[in-house]
Amino acid sequence: GNSVTQMEGPVTLSEEAFLTINCTYTATGYPSLFWYVQYPGEGLQLLLKATKADDKGSNKGFEATYRKETTSFHLEKGSVQVSDSAVYFCALSESFSGNTPLVFGKGTRLSVIA
Amino acid sequence: GAVVSQHPSWVICKSGTSVKIECRSLDFQATTMFWYRQFPKQSLMLMATSNEGSKATYEQGVEKDKFLINHASLTLSTLTVTSAHPEDSSFYICSARPLGGRTEAFFGQGTRLTVV
Repeated sequence: GNSVTQMEGPVTLSEEAFLTINCTYTATGYPSLFWYVQYPGEGLQLLLKATKADDKGSNKGFEATYRKETTSFHLEKGSVQVSDSAVYFCALSESFSGNTPLVFGKGTRLSVIA
Repeated sequence: GAVVSQHPSWVICKSGTSVKIECRSLDFQATTMFWYRQFPKQSLMLMATSNEGSKATYEQGVEKDKFLINHASLTLSTLTVTSAHPEDSSFYICSARPLGGRTEAFFGQGTRLTVV
């Protein structure tokens, strides 16, 4: 079956540090890949996505490139801010159908300190 | 973008009572919605898939009689926690994926349930 594995946290960084959160996936076909962010006490927000190999998703300074050869979708940001402190979830979908849930990783908690 | 609204955002109830949580897709239709439960500092646990006009599909280990799901229209699904107990206290989140080719899912704001 499909699965997503992401690095365990928590990750603690100083402000302006470089961030990488690793994510690898297992899928039988050609999935779409996502990063979601969850701020304390809130639901999940879509951060970025990529729907085919070599696509780069980007938003708010975050980037992730769909690497089919390594089945990876690592999240990066060049300079984190305290406001980036949140839980980040990597996810995949193999279906354009609205009837199947996304497959999520376990989440990585990021804490950025000033 | 697509918006999913969940209500209430928090609720405190007494043991033995029932609590209803609503999930609405505000600007798109969803024949299917998803209900998740999240424990503190843990990942999302898919509880059930809510199907418009038919019975929900529950994940293994989720009590159907405890967590009643109704999906009466293309924009509304409800989760009722029946005879709530303190162990039902958790953060509940709903999600929906628009029909017609969009791949991402959209999430409600979540509901913090505390049973005392």
